[in-house]
Parts: sequence; C-alpha cells; structure tokens
Amino acid sequence: GNSVTQMEGPVTLSEEAFLTINCTYTATGYPSLFWYVQYPGEGLQLLLKATKADDKGSNKGFEATYRKETTSFHLEKGSVQVSDSAVYFCALLNTNAGKSTFGDGTTLTVKP
Amino acid sequence: GAVVSQHPSRVICKSGTSVKIECRSLDFQATTMFWYRQFPKQSLMLMATSNEGSKATYEQGVEKDKFLINHASLTLSTLTVTSAHPEDSSFYICSAREAGTVYNEQFFGPGTRLTVL
Repeated sequence: GNSVTQMEGPVTLSEEAFLTINCTYTATGYPSLFWYVQYPGEGLQLLLKATKADDKGSNKGFEATYRKETTSFHLEKGSVQVSDSAVYFCALLNTNAGKSTFGDGTTLTVKP
Repeated sequence: GAVVSQHPSRVICKSGTSVKIECRSLDFQATTMFWYRQFPKQSLMLMATSNEGSKATYEQGVEKDKFLINHASLTLSTLTVTSAHPEDSSFYICSAREAGTVYNEQFFGPGTRLTVL
C-alpha cells in the first residue's frame, strides 16, 4: 500500500536558519507529491506540489524535488521566518485510487 | 483559486445530540469530497470519500451509522455526527476535488472544531 514517512518533530530553528524536513514515500505507480501547511486552528493549505519525477515544486521560498530514485520529496527553505511556524504535511496522491495519503506532520517553530 | 468553506467553524454540543457539518465548494464543482478527522498533534485520518449522487465510501473502522455523509449536490457535502459522545470531540476537515481532475490536489476547508460535553 501507500505510505508517507516524514521527519519527526518538533523542529525549532532561529530566524534565517536553513530548513529541511525529510519526506519519503512508498507507492505503487506514479503518484503526485504535495506539501501542505497548517497554521494553528486552521485547515490545510497547499504549499507546493510535483506531479512527476525530477519536478521541482516551489512557493514562498520553499522548494521540494520529486526524487523517484530515492522515493523522496524533502522540503527546504533557505531562510525561515517566524511566520513560517506551522505544521507541515507531506502527502502523496495515488491517481488510480484518487485518495491522498498524509505523513504524520512536522511542527516547525521559528524563534526570533 | 478554489475555495472550500465549512460551517460551523466551532460547535459545542451535549452528549447524545446530533451535529451536522457542512462542506461547500464555493467557486467550483466537486464530484468528490473527502472527510477527515484530526486529533491534537496528529495527522489527518481519512474517514470517508463522498461522491455526488451516490453513497459515501467509508474507511475501515469508521462507523457509517455514526457518521452520516450526504453529497446531494456538486457543491455541498454534509457530515452528521449522530448521538455524539465526548470521544467524538475532534477537528473535522473536509476537502474537495474539482470535477474531472483526478491528478490535481485537494482543496481543504478551514475545519470544524467539535466539542461534545
């Protein structure tokens, strides 16, 4: 079956530090990959996505590259801000089944 | 962009009562909507997949008689928690996929915080 494993948190960084949140997946076929962000008390917002191998998704300074050979989709940002504090979810979409599978989420706290 | 709304955003009810949560796609038609449950500091647990005009498909372990789902139109799905108990207290999130787009992301609602006293 499909599964997503992401880096355990919580992660605490100082402002302007470099961020990496690891995400690896197991899936049949060729899934699409996503990163979602959830701010306290809110639903999920799409941060970025990649639909095929070697695609790079990017948004708001965040990037992730779809690596088929390592089945990974690690999230990176060169310089985090306090406003980036949130929970980040890695997810895959199995287009055959039409369902998404989510990782457990990683809580990021950025301190001034 | 695609917007999904949920109503209410918060609800407090007494044990034994039923609560209805609405999920609406505001600017697109959604043949498929998903209902998730999220416990504090945990990931989303898919409860069921709601298809317009047909019965919902429930995930293993989710009681279909407890969590009634109706997807009566292309823009509205409802989740009714029947005879709610304190253990049903949770954050319920819906998402919608635009009609005809299997490969695209889901658009999520803002969530509904249910507290059962």
